[in-house]
Amino acid sequence: KNEVEQSPQNLTAQEGEFITINCSYSVGISALHWLQQHPGGGIVSLFMLSSGKKKHGRLIATINIQEKHSSLHITASHPRDSAVYICAVRSPRLTFGEGTQLTVNP
Amino acid sequence: GAGVSQSPRYKVAKRGQDVALRCDPISGHVSLFWYQQALGQGPEFLTYFQNEAQLDKSGLPSDRFFAERPEGSVSTLKIQRTQQEDSAVYLCASSRSYRATNEKLFFGSGTQLSVL
Repeated sequence: KNEVEQSPQNLTAQEGEFITINCSYSVGISALHWLQQHPGGGIVSLFMLSSGKKKHGRLIATINIQEKHSSLHITASHPRDSAVYICAVRSPRLTFGEGTQLTVNP
Repeated sequence: GAGVSQSPRYKVAKRGQDVALRCDPISGHVSLFWYQQALGQGPEFLTYFQNEAQLDKSGLPSDRFFAERPEGSVSTLKIQRTQQEDSAVYLCASSRSYRATNEKLFFGSGTQLSVL
């Protein structure tokens, strides 16, 4: 069993839909990261969470430390949101989930 | 520099050849991570440095893989006697301190290694 599991693996949505990507982990962590990876490999850090909730524009990330679960939400999704979204936990080494391939169609 | 810089961007090696991949983290960043990302997979941890100390190398897949960061800044990942299964993107990331809270990770663009 992977230490970090994401669901779904693939997600296709229509423009404007509300999207949720889930991440569960099995190890004790000091922080959880949500990352965005575009084709070509470039990775951008979206959020770093150790508790609660963070919001940046149309993106919202939440974490429940007791349940070892985090979610990334995208409101009013847009085709430019199409990318791989990766959850990674820090303990202190960084362990990645497999990623969720999101495709938003116009 | 402005970001994490990795070189070369692409590397093609013949099977059995040694390669060296370079990571130049953001100046002053204490923590440095190396990851291996196979096509269609999430990144897999290789090794972690705090300054010049290699605190965790448990992800290195074999003794052909070696990483160093002698002065606590630039890091080199060396792969000896490359094999086809070493073909992957090698990513480097750095962060300002060893403390995880309030700490953002910065990633390089990666080195795409193809072993023929």
